[in-house]
Amino acid sequence: DAKTTQPPSMDCAEGRAANLPCNHSTISGNEYVYWYRQIHSQGPQYIIHGLKNNETNEMASLIITEDRKSSTLILPHATLRDTAVYYCIVRTPLGGTSYGKLTFGQGTILTVHP
Amino acid sequence: EPEVTQTPSHQVTQMGQEVILRCVPISNHLYFYWYRQILGQKVEFLVSFYNNEISEKSEIFDDQFSVERPDGSNFTLKIRSTKLEDSAMYFCASTHRVLTGELFFGEGSRLTVL
Repeated sequence: DAKTTQPPSMDCAEGRAANLPCNHSTISGNEYVYWYRQIHSQGPQYIIHGLKNNETNEMASLIITEDRKSSTLILPHATLRDTAVYYCIVRTPLGGTSYGKLTFGQGTILTVHP
Repeated sequence: EPEVTQTPSHQVTQMGQEVILRCVPISNHLYFYWYRQILGQKVEFLVSFYNNEISEKSEIFDDQFSVERPDGSNFTLKIRSTKLEDSAMYFCASTHRVLTGELFFGEGSRLTVL
């Protein structure tokens, strides 16, 4: 799996946009970028994923650079409930010995404060 | 909204005892996974399961562990003889599309080995 690098922690004011960066310089052409979050000790929650184009859903936006070596997750209006650990994961595609597992790193602890 | 359900939410057991953790994946999903998270550490992949057999497993998933799908709806993780270091949150996940489908995680089962 391609290795990802994220800052260990970030702060954000409530109501402001939270921009969480991720470096994945060794990503392969067919690997997707996934973002998950984990609130306290709950199960990881899917946020968004993308291959090369920018993506947006009701939770967040994902901006992937043209060379695909980095990406940014944007929470447009952060709330206190968005305080969580955010994981950027490059997912090994189906094939060989992989059946779509996700490999979690340490992630970024995002703290949203009032 | 369909969800992955796990039971029990918390189990306390004595070292050396057998433990079975149960999961009911989302009904039309075909790929199933177990992960664990030791307190304060990252989420670790244990095993993936497809078509009634293990498709991939990690080094953690040794002979003490086994998985099965006994009745077409439940997906179980058995730890044959628990050790203190098996104390962790265990998360079940499922997906219907292994290439790009997001994994849906349950809320976890906390195992405490005394």
